[in-house]
Amino acid sequence: QKEVEQNSGPLSVPEGAIASLNCTYSDRGSQSFFWYRQYSGKSPELIMSIYSNGDKEDGRFTAQLNKASQYVSLLIRDSQPSDSATYLCATRTGGGNKLTFGTGTQLKVEL
Amino acid sequence: GAVVSQHPSRVICKSGTSVKIECRSLDFQATTMFWYRQFPKKSLMLMATSNEGSKATYEQGVEKDKFLINHASLTLSTLTVTSAHPEDSSFYICSAPLGGSGENQPQHFGDGTRLSIL
Repeated sequence: QKEVEQNSGPLSVPEGAIASLNCTYSDRGSQSFFWYRQYSGKSPELIMSIYSNGDKEDGRFTAQLNKASQYVSLLIRDSQPSDSATYLCATRTGGGNKLTFGTGTQLKVEL
Repeated sequence: GAVVSQHPSRVICKSGTSVKIECRSLDFQATTMFWYRQFPKKSLMLMATSNEGSKATYEQGVEKDKFLINHASLTLSTLTVTSAHPEDSSFYICSAPLGGSGENQPQHFGDGTRLSIL
């Protein structure tokens, strides 16, 4: 079983719609959760971090964490073509800074 | 602006060449940095954890004699791919936790180095 699982997609949404990206993790000891955006040929860029259950909003992005269900999601409101990228979910367990990444979900926002 | 600088951005060289990649934390100290490799359409694979002043910690399956890591200062880690071969061609990316090595600090990535071995 993969430690961090994401649907590889592609997830296609029309411009202006809400894109919902999901991630599940297997290690109940995971404490920190991150969403990164990676454009093709580029390195990952941090979008959101979330550490406690509930929602965290930043502009058009909302991260949701449910530790009981071992589930973290990212909502993108008013999706734009520039949001088209691969979104990586990452978790950190215990001490230290080592991250475990999912394989990423490719998002396509269509005009 | 960028908080982690990586250089060079692209390298094309002949088989057998050793290639050094630098990763610098900008305006903050990083006692720990991380080196990843990413093949086309694949996810990030952690290669090793670079520790300032001590030996790097390599992930299972990564040859430490092939991928030399030096973390000589609080702002610089280097990865040297020794005697590179075509199968080493990949996208190499470093990261550092902003704010040092404290827990819950998000990692920020350098721009990556695309290595092509002919």
